Amino acid sequence: KAGVTQTPRYLIKTRGQQVTLSCSPISGHRSVSWYQQTPGQGLQFLFEYFSETQRNKGNFPGRFSGRQFSNSRSEMNVSTLELGDSALYLCASSFDHGGNEQFFGPGTRLTVL
Amino acid sequence: QQQVKQSPQSLIVQKGGISIINCAYENTAFDYFPWYQQFPGKGPALLIAIRPDVSEKKEGRFTISFNKSAKQFSLHIMDSQPGDSATYFCAASKRTSGSRLTFGEGTQLTVNP
Repeated sequence: KAGVTQTPRYLIKTRGQQVTLSCSPISGHRSVSWYQQTPGQGLQFLFEYFSETQRNKGNFPGRFSGRQFSNSRSEMNVSTLELGDSALYLCASSFDHGGNEQFFGPGTRLTVL
Repeated sequence: QQQVKQSPQSLIVQKGGISIINCAYENTAFDYFPWYQQFPGKGPALLIAIRPDVSEKKEGRFTISFNKSAKQFSLHIMDSQPGDSATYFCAASKRTSGSRLTFGEGTQLTVNP
């Protein structure tokens, strides 16, 4: 079974731009969660999507948004990029909403210049 | 508010030794406690997890010890190997928050040959 895939793997943007990251969960998994990983703040929860609906949201500004498609694939969008948005963005999938076993993808490394 | 505190920040162990990483949590509603292993350039990989109704869980060389009254849990890596050198994260979640994981700060483990 293929694991969680994320595209692109690396991205360089400039301040003020927007970016869209994509995540394909493990086949059969219906819940997708997004996390931001930085050296200073560690791993922080962004949001969870299940059945195309956001079920949970972390403490991030409204510039961070996401969506989920009917095939469970998910995208997250960051608008008006700031230098502090530079991070590794990780996607994790689980079988169900509240599914405890979460499997992470390799992440997208975003650099904001 | 840091709800899961992890220590030590870094750990150096000799090959064949025991690596011990500790975590403490605040929220008694947490009901699932996983450990993740992360290598550079990779996403976190689920190692082992425990629920509060069990005091210990062992999988191969990895053991979780759980102390509900003290609100602490720890990861023991027996017969540590150089290939175990990675960053380890403890985490916690609660059913009412769906798949949201709250992570500890991480421990950088180095196993010397």
